Amino acid sequence: DTEVTQTPKHLVMGMTNKKSLKCEQHMGHRAMYWYKQKAKKPPELMFVYSYEKLSINESVPSRFSPECPNSSLLNLHLHALQPEDSALYLCASSQEGRGVAGNTIYFGEGSWLTVV
Amino acid sequence: AQSVSQHNHHVILSEAASLELGCNYSYGGTVNLFWYVQYPGQHLQLLLKYFSGDPLVKGIKGFEAEFIKSKFSFNLRKPSVQWSDTAEYFCAVNAYRDDKIIFGKGTRLHILP
Repeated sequence: DTEVTQTPKHLVMGMTNKKSLKCEQHMGHRAMYWYKQKAKKPPELMFVYSYEKLSINESVPSRFSPECPNSSLLNLHLHALQPEDSALYLCASSQEGRGVAGNTIYFGEGSWLTVV
Repeated sequence: AQSVSQHNHHVILSEAASLELGCNYSYGGTVNLFWYVQYPGQHLQLLLKYFSGDPLVKGIKGFEAEFIKSKFSFNLRKPSVQWSDTAEYFCAVNAYRDDKIIFGKGTRLHILP
């Protein structure tokens, strides 16, 4: 079973709504990630937090706003999304943010987002 | 920049057939290599990983993969597939000293009962 927990599992929101996706891990990992996955496509990296600091933003539109309140929690704030933003949003974590030997990324079950 | 190529986009096999899914990566330095599996409607699960040492690594559910450094390849194999192996398989690479893990486009495996 995954030890990365994401809520909610499903979210439907209008284009004017503000909502948040939440992610939690209790494995002591110091790196956390947001990925976006469209149907039948590979996951695409959005953000990486390493030691609670944003280390990578893959040119994600500002309507997606990540937040890392502490080393166990990662949020993704959503505002003014478009229908094409509908996707599975995956949170992940790893022991370290830098690619080192033994660094493995573990994924949560994802939050299915539908923008109407 | 790193990149990952999976040559087979859609594979259809009968039960008990042998499986080999190709994966090549592009990066000149040291890498961590992974295969993830995603069953229909489910999340990504780690199948196996290679960091160093024996280039033949064994994973869960009877899968194995061989790292061939000279070919920049990390192919996934299973001697005898089962209907329950129907899923999407993603090869991924993570370069040392890099925060990113990059995925290939995936291979959809369909096993006929």
